Amino acid sequence: GNSVTQMEGPVTLSEEAFLTINCTYTATGYPSLFWYVQYPGEGLQLLLKATKADDKGSNKGFEATYRKETTSFHLEKGSVQVSDSAVYFCALRGNSGYSTLTFGKGTMLLVSP
Amino acid sequence: DGGITQSPKYLFRKEGQNVTLSCEQNLNHDAMYWYRQDPGQGLRLIYYSQIVNDFQKGDIAEGYSVSREKKESFPLTVTSAQKNPTAFYLCASSSLLTGATTDTQYFGPGTRLTVL
Repeated sequence: GNSVTQMEGPVTLSEEAFLTINCTYTATGYPSLFWYVQYPGEGLQLLLKATKADDKGSNKGFEATYRKETTSFHLEKGSVQVSDSAVYFCALRGNSGYSTLTFGKGTMLLVSP
Repeated sequence: DGGITQSPKYLFRKEGQNVTLSCEQNLNHDAMYWYRQDPGQGLRLIYYSQIVNDFQKGDIAEGYSVSREKKESFPLTVTSAQKNPTAFYLCASSSLLTGATTDTQYFGPGTRLTVL
């Protein structure tokens, strides 16, 4: 079956530091890949997505590239802000007929001033 | 404003009682979903529905029930058979287009259920 593995948190950074959150997946075929963000006490918001190999999703300074050869979709940001503190979820959607989302366990990011 | 609403935000229940969580969307989405989130865990799928009057079990459906009488609404009932119901519950919806290879899910703000 499908699965997503994320690096464990919390990830603790100072403001303006470089961020990488690793995400690898197991799936057959060519799934679509997503990053969602969850701020404290709220639901999930879509951050970015990629639907085919070598696609790069980007939004609000965050980027992730769909790497088929390494089955990865790592999230990066060049300079984090305190307001980026949240939990980040990597997810995939299979492409065989109708398929629901499979989520990783989430990675908490804490950014200090 | 288009979106997904969940109510109530906080819910307390005594052991042995059934409780129903509300989820409404005005995005004209066909599909709706219920997830459960526990600390340190990812989201786990409880039930989903692609069309009115039809729904399928997810990974952890035991102790839960749903209905889909209207396109806009997908209420979740947590029954007394659910052994550990204290959790954060999230509802989501998405558009289903024939032949689409991706359908972004949009989430509501969640309901935190606590069993006393």
